Amino acid sequence: QKEVEQNSGPLSVPEGAIASLNCTYSDQGSQSFFWYRQYSGKSPELIMFIYSNGDKEDGRFTAQLNKASQYVSLLIRDSQPSDSATYLCAVNRDDKIIFGKGTRLHILP
Amino acid sequence: DTEVTQTPKHLVMGMTNKKSLKCEQHMGHRAMYWYKQKAKKPPELMFVYSYEKLSINESVPSRFSPECPNSSLLNLHLHALQPEDSALYLCASSQDRVRVVYNEQFFGPGTRLTVL
Repeated sequence: QKEVEQNSGPLSVPEGAIASLNCTYSDQGSQSFFWYRQYSGKSPELIMFIYSNGDKEDGRFTAQLNKASQYVSLLIRDSQPSDSATYLCAVNRDDKIIFGKGTRLHILP
Repeated sequence: DTEVTQTPKHLVMGMTNKKSLKCEQHMGHRAMYWYKQKAKKPPELMFVYSYEKLSINESVPSRFSPECPNSSLLNLHLHALQPEDSALYLCASSQDRVRVVYNEQFFGPGTRLTVL
């Protein structure tokens, strides 16, 4: 089992709809969970981080964490074409973060 | 200042050249990282420096040599690279590697390296 798993996509979502990105992880000891957005040819940009079970909201973004199920998700409300990017889920293990392979999100105008 | 800067943005080098990549942050972060990223792949960790000391080397070939002159600067010295080393090289920093829950990493824009 891979440490951090994401569906590679592409995930196509109509403009204005909710985009839902999912990630599972294997290390039960993980404490910190991150979502990075990466545009083609650019570096990853941290958009959300979450440490506690439940939801964390920041603007149009909501991160959800369920440690019992080892599952973390990112919801993007009112999706915009500018949200089209690859979204990397990352999980802290010891002093490293382990990245998933990323989900390509395509917002349809 | 919440920025990590990297120079150069692009670098083309031959297999016999010696070059260096530079990274700088002024956020007071005490952990700095080098990653390598190939197209359509996630970043791969290469090195971690914590309080200016090398703490993790992910079995990186010796043709890559990191250096941390002070808490704000991180260099990656390159020598005798191979064409397969062509990639985007990313620097990142975080507040403190010991306190896991504060380990958000912030990335620089990267250096696009091409080895001919």
